[in-house]
Formats: sequence, structure tokens, C-alpha cells
Amino acid sequence: EAGVAQSPRYKIIEKRQSVAFWCNPISGHATLYWYQQILGQGPKLLIQFQNNGVVDDSQLPKDRFSAERLKGVDSTLKIQPAKLEDSAVYLCASSLIQASPNEQFFGPGTRLTVL
Amino acid sequence: DAKTTQPPSMDCAEGRAANLPCNHSTISGNEYVYWYRQIHSQGPQYIIHGLKNNETNEMASLIITEDRKSSTLILPHATLRDTAVYYCIVRVVGNDYKLSFGAGTTVTVRA
Repeated sequence: EAGVAQSPRYKIIEKRQSVAFWCNPISGHATLYWYQQILGQGPKLLIQFQNNGVVDDSQLPKDRFSAERLKGVDSTLKIQPAKLEDSAVYLCASSLIQASPNEQFFGPGTRLTVL
Repeated sequence: DAKTTQPPSMDCAEGRAANLPCNHSTISGNEYVYWYRQIHSQGPQYIIHGLKNNETNEMASLIITEDRKSSTLILPHATLRDTAVYYCIVRVVGNDYKLSFGAGTTVTVRA
């Protein structure tokens, strides 16, 4: 079974530039998550989709971050314009809708460096 | 979700059991204990979860105290590949599928 795919793996940009990350979840997984992981910290949830609807985006900085999940499959996360503090690893995860164990499967992440 | 407390780091000898403690003194009756780990440069990986009974799978064992205020993840025979950050998370299983990660415990397995 293929895992969660993310691209690119690494991205370096200058502040005020724009960047986009792509995620392809495991086939059949209705729920998709984007997390931000700053160096030395645990991942922090940015947004959660169920199919193509947003379930929770309470921690998404909406003035600069946006995300979409067209057709309930692939998803993109965009930052425009980027700030220095956006340097982090952006993780995508997916899961089935089920009560237990509701395991989330994570991709390898995209490491973003903002200069 | 209830908060958890874990030691920031611990060392373990290869081939020995690694016992990772987690305190969750404010856990609610409908909250499960989940463990994930994150190997360097990879995404987190699910290990095990439980409600109140002890659980075992091919990766680890989870021991939850009777009052459910703390738990211990046991890696029975640690290998160098078990070097990772281990996260203890408590969460309600149902409509809310969020995982709230703390800083975790950095486990270093030494040869």
C-alpha cells in the first residue's frame, strides 16, 4: 500500500515570496490534515479536511496561509507571502473515518526554509 | 484534549527494555492514550493506543495505571532503529480526530 506522498521535499525561498506544497493521501482516506512542525517542537495542526470540506482551521494563519482539497483527494497548502517564522517542516497526514484506532498516516514532510 | 507530561529525554541500552513514562492526570473518562514516534527526518508513526486495559502489539506494550492518570510505553528489546522522539497524546475518539502533540521524549538507544 502506497503511503502519503508529499512534494517538494525541500524548498528554500526568500521572505515575502509565495510557496505551495502538495499532498496525495492514502487511497480511500477521507480525512486529511496539514501540520506545521517548527524545529524542536511537536507538530501543530493547521487544518483538517473531511472529504473536500474543512473540519477545523482554527490554527491556520488565514491572512497568509490557504489550503484546498479539490475532489476530496489531493490537497495543496499555500503560503503568501512567507515570513521568516514560517520556516518549518510541513507534514501531511491522512486517516480513515473510523472510531478506533483512527490511526493517522504521515507523509515525509516538506522542509521549508525562509531566508 | 488533556495535556500530558513526558521527560524530555532518556537513554537506553540496545537489547534492553525501554520504559517511557507519561503523566496525564487530567484525563477524562472518554479519552484514549495514544503513542506516536518520529524518527529523524520522517513523519510521526502510530505505535499503540489504549483506554484502560493494557495493550500489546508487535511494536510495543502500553501499561495504563488503574486510575488512568499515567501510563508507560514499553519497547521490549530496544534497537538502534528505535532512536526517535516519542509522543504521548490523549484524545477523544469519535468525531474529533485531532492529535495534539507536545514536545515528546527524545529516546536515544546506545550500542
